[in-house]
Amino acid sequence: GAVVSQHPSRVICKSGTSVKIECRSLDFQATTMFWYRQFPKQSLMLMATSNEGSKATYEQGVEKDKFLINHASLTLSTLTVTSAHPEDSSFYICSARVGTASSYNEQFFGPGTRLTVL
Amino acid sequence: AQKVTQAQTEISVVEKEDVTLDCVYETRDTTYYLFWYKQPPSGELVFLIRRNSFDEQNEISGRYSWNFQKSTSSFNFTITASQVVDSAVYFCALAMYSGGGADGLTFGKGTHLIIQP
Repeated sequence: GAVVSQHPSRVICKSGTSVKIECRSLDFQATTMFWYRQFPKQSLMLMATSNEGSKATYEQGVEKDKFLINHASLTLSTLTVTSAHPEDSSFYICSARVGTASSYNEQFFGPGTRLTVL
Repeated sequence: AQKVTQAQTEISVVEKEDVTLDCVYETRDTTYYLFWYKQPPSGELVFLIRRNSFDEQNEISGRYSWNFQKSTSSFNFTITASQVVDSAVYFCALAMYSGGGADGLTFGKGTHLIIQP
């Protein structure tokens, strides 16, 4: 099956710094990528949808200026957590979807990035 | 707005028992997708199944089976002869149709399944 990678897998940073998380589709082109966050022992919440070459669409309640998403190529989307604070500590997971053909296009999840803000 | 309810927060059974994980969903759309994912302690999501709203056929894959009933908006998951390796958190999810694929997923809160040896 298709592979989606995330980098880094774990990151620890100090409060006030910015952290960038990369999501890559390794063997397919993803016109659409999704970002989720998961607090400990909780469900996954969709944060935003990004389409290659256009601005991301954020879910209600997600701060656009806090979570910057860039989908500059068909294989890479980045999530930047700006001025991170301890409450931003979470598990961030991306998924990538192939094209927009008439047939169903599967979504493939990355392995996740665990962010800890001290 | 769509919603997925997994009422069972945690289930604990002894190995070899059968166990059913419940999932009830809400949506106003007629075209949608339903999913089950497994999340082991490592955190990586493992895809188990996808169903579209027009396909109510039940499915069996080895020890796993799924019962999709639109009349009750349910998509339940049964593990037969459970094994310790089945221990994980299981998520049911719902997605709207969007241009040839599923939109971003709405997840239930998950059921923590514990299989005791």
